[in-house]
Amino acid sequence: DGGITQSPKYLFRKEGQNVTLSCEQNLNHDAMYWYRQDPGQGLRLIYYSQIVNDFQKGDIAEGYSVSREKKESFPLTVTSAQKNPTAFYLCASRSRQEGYGANVLTFGAGSRLTVL
Amino acid sequence: QKEVEQDPGPLSVPEGAIVSLNCTYSNSAFQYFMWYRQYSRKGPELLMYTYSSGNKEDGRFTAQVDKSSKYISLFIRDSQPSDSATYLCAMSVSGGYQKVTFGTGTKLQVIP
Repeated sequence: DGGITQSPKYLFRKEGQNVTLSCEQNLNHDAMYWYRQDPGQGLRLIYYSQIVNDFQKGDIAEGYSVSREKKESFPLTVTSAQKNPTAFYLCASRSRQEGYGANVLTFGAGSRLTVL
Repeated sequence: QKEVEQDPGPLSVPEGAIVSLNCTYSNSAFQYFMWYRQYSRKGPELLMYTYSSGNKEDGRFTAQVDKSSKYISLFIRDSQPSDSATYLCAMSVSGGYQKVTFGTGTKLQVIP
């Protein structure tokens, strides 16, 4: 079955440590996204990539970094510069098709990061 | 003011009730409207998708878009305990990158 796999599901980090969240998709989608979800704030876009070896900052990119070396993979690194990293992180992908369905995002199951 | 406003709830209803979930928005350029359902500790999944104004029905679910009032709704008929989840509205303009803007989500509990 096609889908998006995020790992780990739960992650604990000490202050000052970098951590990397994995996102893999087998949907053959061109575009991939990272969102952060906090209670009462909805989904906020961190980074997105529409093609391999290219990515753009979203609304809250500070303290995060990404890479897109393969179409299937879009890992997110939460660096020590992110002041409030405890949150639920969601990876999503979208096909490049135009017209109906062009805006439909498919999400992974999420990764919950807790800073100790 | 947020581009998309959504009452966070929680909303508690008895099983079998008709549920109405709503979002308002300020950007008149929005053309694509979506509803996602998110179970606890899971990723959102697409529930309904509409383009421009009008109604769309899928089983017990009906999505309505009123662009003149900048108001969208999701109706759930004969609600079931399995409908208990957070419902997120989402929308985007046509053309270009088509950034998707999400509401904060409404938490729904259907009581048996």
